[in-house]
Amino acid sequence: ILNVEQSPQSLHVQEGDSTNFTCSFPSSNFYALHWYRWETAKSPEALFVMTLNGDEKKKGRISATLNTKEGYSYLYIKGSQPEDSATYLCAFYVDSSYKLIFGSGTRLLVRP
Amino acid sequence: DAGVTQSPTHLIKTRGQQVTLRCSPISGHKSVSWYQQVLGQGPQFIFQYYEKEERGRGNFPDRFSARQFPNYSSELNVNALLLGDSALYLCASSSAGIRYNEQFFGPGTRLTVL
Repeated sequence: ILNVEQSPQSLHVQEGDSTNFTCSFPSSNFYALHWYRWETAKSPEALFVMTLNGDEKKKGRISATLNTKEGYSYLYIKGSQPEDSATYLCAFYVDSSYKLIFGSGTRLLVRP
Repeated sequence: DAGVTQSPTHLIKTRGQQVTLRCSPISGHKSVSWYQQVLGQGPQFIFQYYEKEERGRGNFPDRFSARQFPNYSSELNVNALLLGDSALYLCASSSAGIRYNEQFFGPGTRLTVL
């Protein structure tokens, strides 16, 4: 069974704090890793698609790194804002299949 | 440009009934994927279609079926509904259906089975 593990399950931080989450996945047969942000009452929105070991991507205050050899990706948010409150999901494609396997997500709440 | 649209928004059915959910992808997108999301879990992959052909199927029973039409819209059918089928059903489209493409999600259809 192929599983994606995300930690922590939930996180409460103060506005201005920086934070990071972890996504762990099976390192064998890796193909691509996706990060999505899912705000309440909205649709999941793509943040990053990462494919190469050592990849680093950045979008504003959010960045992500990828280590395919050890099977993990980190998502960082610098200077969290209340509007960053959302569930952050990672998902990966394994091997040559077209099955995108999601983790359960990290729920972030940023207090003003 | 319009995003991914899904209909209906909400649906209430009883056990044993059948349901059809609809999805229209972003204009120009040829790939549609379907996911089931239950509270506290991430979306679970059900199907992916590309150019009207099924390219991937998740671990769901044969009661679940789908198809993609020439205009790339898609329908998800679920027969003989069970209480456990109650969930949010998400549709996502991508331009080429390859694994490097980000997926664009619709707002979902909330299905309640009584």
